[in-house]
Amino acid sequence: AQTVTQSQPEMSVQEAETVTLSCTYDTSESDYYLFWYKQPPSRQMILVIRQEAYKQQNATENRFSVNFQKAAKSFSLKISDSQLGDAAMYFCACYQGAQKLVFGQGTRLTINP
Amino acid sequence: GAVVSQHPSRVICKSGTSVKIECRSLDFQATTMFWYRQFPKQSLMLMATSNEGSKATYEQGVEKDKFLINHASLTLSTLTVTSAHPEDSSFYICRLGQLSGGYTFGSGTRLTVV
Repeated sequence: AQTVTQSQPEMSVQEAETVTLSCTYDTSESDYYLFWYKQPPSRQMILVIRQEAYKQQNATENRFSVNFQKAAKSFSLKISDSQLGDAAMYFCACYQGAQKLVFGQGTRLTINP
Repeated sequence: GAVVSQHPSRVICKSGTSVKIECRSLDFQATTMFWYRQFPKQSLMLMATSNEGSKATYEQGVEKDKFLINHASLTLSTLTVTSAHPEDSSFYICRLGQLSGGYTFGSGTRLTVV
């Protein structure tokens, strides 16, 4: 069975600094996708960034970037120039096949002003 | 990207009654919709997969007769919690299945059973 592990239940960072959220996964699929979702207090799930496993280049979306290490099955999220609005729960997810997503336990990110 | 409208956002119902939650795909043909449940401070747990025009498939441990799913059209999937009890109180959220749809989530429904 696929598993996604986020080993950091909580993280905090000073505003304008950089923070990295960790995620490891295990899958038997040869082709898969990885995602980071943000869930603010409203509980709306917002897609932050997506990585196709066949692509070697790390995905980037403005201040958000990933460090995708396929051999190590690691998929960390880096948030640069942290802003107060980045405070939320962040979930790492792996496409399981049949369009299913497996989610990690989540990391609660706090931004200190 | 695709937009999924979920209603209601909040509902309070009495124990023993049924509640229907709707997820509507506004601009994308939703052949597949996933339904999740999320308890406070926990991750999303997949409950079932609804497929347009066919029976839903349920994850292990999810009661089919309690959580009725209907996906009669390409734009609408519904989850009905039947004979609700306080332990069914949770946050329910749907997700569009197709990757080309961006794996978009609905805005969620907070169900409280009193």
